[in-house]
Amino acid sequence: GEDVEQSLFLSVREGDSSVINCTYTDSSSTYLYWYKQEPGAGLQLLTYIFSNMDMKQDQRLTVLLNKKDKHLSLRIADTQTGDSAIYFCAEISGGYQKVTFGIGTKLQVIP
Amino acid sequence: GAVVSQHPSWVICKSGTSVKIECRSLDFQATTMFWYRQFPKQSLMLMATSNEGSKATYEQGVEKDKFLINHASLTLSTLTVTSAHPEDSSFYICSAGGGRGTQYFGPGTRLLVL
Repeated sequence: GEDVEQSLFLSVREGDSSVINCTYTDSSSTYLYWYKQEPGAGLQLLTYIFSNMDMKQDQRLTVLLNKKDKHLSLRIADTQTGDSAIYFCAEISGGYQKVTFGIGTKLQVIP
Repeated sequence: GAVVSQHPSWVICKSGTSVKIECRSLDFQATTMFWYRQFPKQSLMLMATSNEGSKATYEQGVEKDKFLINHASLTLSTLTVTSAHPEDSSFYICSAGGGRGTQYFGPGTRLLVL
């Protein structure tokens, strides 16, 4: 079945870059997503990448996809304290219906 | 655009009562909505897929008679937790399907069953 793995915790200093990594198992994944969850809140879609792309940049966010290794990463440039949250990697496969989430990486930004 | 709301944002109820949670897509229509459950320090687990005008599709291990889902219109889906028990206490999040397979999530509903 589908499985998505992430490291649990990342701590960076304000102004540095953050890189959050994710691996997935389903080679038929069509879209891969990054969601942000602030404390006590729902999920906010940050960005997504189609499986035939290897990079997508959106302002401070850069998504890299290595389809051969089934590895996805999210880079946040100039990390701010407001970026402190839990970041979920997710893949969609088997058509539109099924989204599988990783357990989430808690990003702590130190002022 | 693509705003999804949930109501209530949190609810405390006694064991044995039923609780209804509403999920609305405010500025778009969604033929498909999804209900997730999140336990503390865990990821989201898909409970069911709700299709407008038809029966919901439940994930394995989710009791359809306990978690009643109704998707009566293109902008509203409801989840009713029937005869709630303390183990049903959780964070329930809905999402509505957007284009390109994306999902837009509601803010979540915290349920505490005493």
